Amino acid sequence: AAGVIQSPRHLIKEKRETATLKCYPIPRHDTVYWYQQGPGQDPQFLISFYEKMQSDKGSIPDRFSAQQFSDYHSELNMSSLELGDSALYFCASSQRRAAGIFGPGTRLTVL
Amino acid sequence: QKEVEQDPGPLSVPEGAIVSLNCTYSNSAFQYFMWYRQYSRKGPELLMYTYSSGNKEDGRFTAQVDKSSKYISLFIRDSQPSDSATYLCAMIANTGNQFYFGTGTSLTVIP
Repeated sequence: AAGVIQSPRHLIKEKRETATLKCYPIPRHDTVYWYQQGPGQDPQFLISFYEKMQSDKGSIPDRFSAQQFSDYHSELNMSSLELGDSALYFCASSQRRAAGIFGPGTRLTVL
Repeated sequence: QKEVEQDPGPLSVPEGAIVSLNCTYSNSAFQYFMWYRQYSRKGPELLMYTYSSGNKEDGRFTAQVDKSSKYISLFIRDSQPSDSATYLCAMIANTGNQFYFGTGTSLTVIP
């Protein structure tokens, strides 16, 4: 069965650079969620989209933005990167509040 | 105070033991309850998904939800070394747009 695809899987950036993370949800899933997970921490909610519209916003810095496109893929744009942004970034998709299926994550390292 | 509380462990059991993992929550609006397994540096893998109160069994795994007590459990029978991972509970409200996670319980099954 198709799973959630995230790219890139690993990303190394320097401080103050910009990064773009991509998420391709499972076909026919209408909701996408973005989470950030630091070492030894539980996933922290960033933002979600339902049918290409932003539906909820969590602890997402103003330096970050996200959108969902007509083909339902989503992108998380991160600017002015800081050392503290180093983390695993997960995307999950679901059919409206059904169980979220998580992708493999993007490991972002900011040097 | 987090909306979802989970004993972080670590929990160490011998192979073949029955494992009990638990979460409590405060938001009575939560209706969908999930358990995820996460191996180090991997994406959370959906194990069990339950709507409202009741029990659900899948192989060696049983999920229980008691909404009156705001308490959910995951039981693992005949635990195996391959079950060694971090287990995360998560939940979402009927009108919600984000999953709320517990802090995760680290489990080690000793051969």
